[in-house]
Amino acid sequence: DGGITQSPKYLFRKEGQNVTLSCEQNLNHDAMYWYRQDPGQGLRLIYYSQIVNDFQKGDIAEGYSVSREKKESFPLTVTSAQKNPTAFYLCASSFGGSRQPQHFGDGTRLSIL
Amino acid sequence: KNEVEQSPQNLTAQEGEFITINCSYSVGISALHWLQQHPGGGIVSLFMLSSGKKKHGRLIATINIQEKHSSLHITASHPRDSAVYICAVTLRGFGNEKLTFGTGTRLTIIP
Repeated sequence: DGGITQSPKYLFRKEGQNVTLSCEQNLNHDAMYWYRQDPGQGLRLIYYSQIVNDFQKGDIAEGYSVSREKKESFPLTVTSAQKNPTAFYLCASSFGGSRQPQHFGDGTRLSIL
Repeated sequence: KNEVEQSPQNLTAQEGEFITINCSYSVGISALHWLQQHPGGGIVSLFMLSSGKKKHGRLIATINIQEKHSSLHITASHPRDSAVYICAVTLRGFGNEKLTFGTGTRLTIIP
């Protein structure tokens, strides 16, 4: 079955550590996205990529980094510069364009120890 | 003020009731999306609308472009419909598919 796989489901980070969240899709989608969800707020866009080897900052990119070396993969690194990293992170993908639905993964919940 | 507003924030109903969730937006859009977030956190895309009405099973979504308003209806509601329902819009003229999200409506259906 095609879909988006995020791992791990739960992740704990110590102060000062970088952590990387995995996102893999086998839907042959060109575009991939990372969102952050906080209680009482709508999802906010961190980074997105419309094509391999290219990505753009979203609304809250500070303290995060991404890479897009393969079409199927779009890992997100939460760096020590992100001062409030505790949140629920969702990855999504689509065929691209303004009228294509986005398909979401099951998310990764990141907590600070 | 958020560009996408949903109401109500929370909704509790008895099994079998007809459910309506509303979404208003304040900007020009190219499409509106209804999403369902399960208790575990995963999100499923229910509908994408640019005009009119769409139906899938017991779910119906409508949009009025002139009034900048959309509704999601659930007929014969069931406890398995309990979830957070999120409205999102694709802004017109940005040349990409960036979504702007509402804060969601938490629906609880009591058996």
